[in-house]
Amino acid sequence: QKEVEQDPGPLSVPEGAIVSLNCTYSNSAFQYFMWYRQYSRKGPELLMYTYSSGNKEDGRFTAQVDKSSKYISLFIRDSQPSDSATYLCAFLNSGGGADGLTFGKGTHLIIQP
Amino acid sequence: GAVVSQHPSRVICKSGTSVKIECRSLDFQATTMFWYRQFPKQSLMLMATSNEGSKATYEQGVEKDKFLINHASLTLSTLTVTSAHPEDSSFYICSVLDRGQTQYFGPGTRLLVL
Repeated sequence: QKEVEQDPGPLSVPEGAIVSLNCTYSNSAFQYFMWYRQYSRKGPELLMYTYSSGNKEDGRFTAQVDKSSKYISLFIRDSQPSDSATYLCAFLNSGGGADGLTFGKGTHLIIQP
Repeated sequence: GAVVSQHPSRVICKSGTSVKIECRSLDFQATTMFWYRQFPKQSLMLMATSNEGSKATYEQGVEKDKFLINHASLTLSTLTVTSAHPEDSSFYICSVLDRGQTQYFGPGTRLLVL
């Protein structure tokens, strides 16, 4: 079983739709959960950073963590064409930031105008 | 968040040559920086952890003699790909670790070895 599973897509939705992106993981040591957005040929940009189970909201973005199911989600409301990018889930173990991140493969999201 | 730059953004070189990539933390002093590699349609994979003033820590399967890392100051880490071969062609990205334990990424360097 892979440490992180993320559907690569592409996921194509019309503008204004709610987008749901998901990752599952198997490593119980993961305690920090992040979502990054990566535009083509660019470095990843941090969108959301959560520690505990539950929801965290920031503008149109909501991150959801379910540690018991080892499942995390990112919801995008009122999606815009500018949201078209690859979204990467990332994980950090209980050792904290001194370790590198473990990434999912990324989901390629396309928002159709 | 932290501002991170990388230079060059793109490089094309001949097989057998060495290429140096710079990663700079522009707005704070970073004790720890990371180097990742990303092949097309693949996830970012951690190559090594770069700590200022000490030797880098390499991930399993990454050759330390091929990928030389120097973190000589709190704002600069360099990755040198020695004797590059076509299979080293990839997107190399660095990140810095801020005081809040969050990683911020540079824009990446695309390496093409002919």
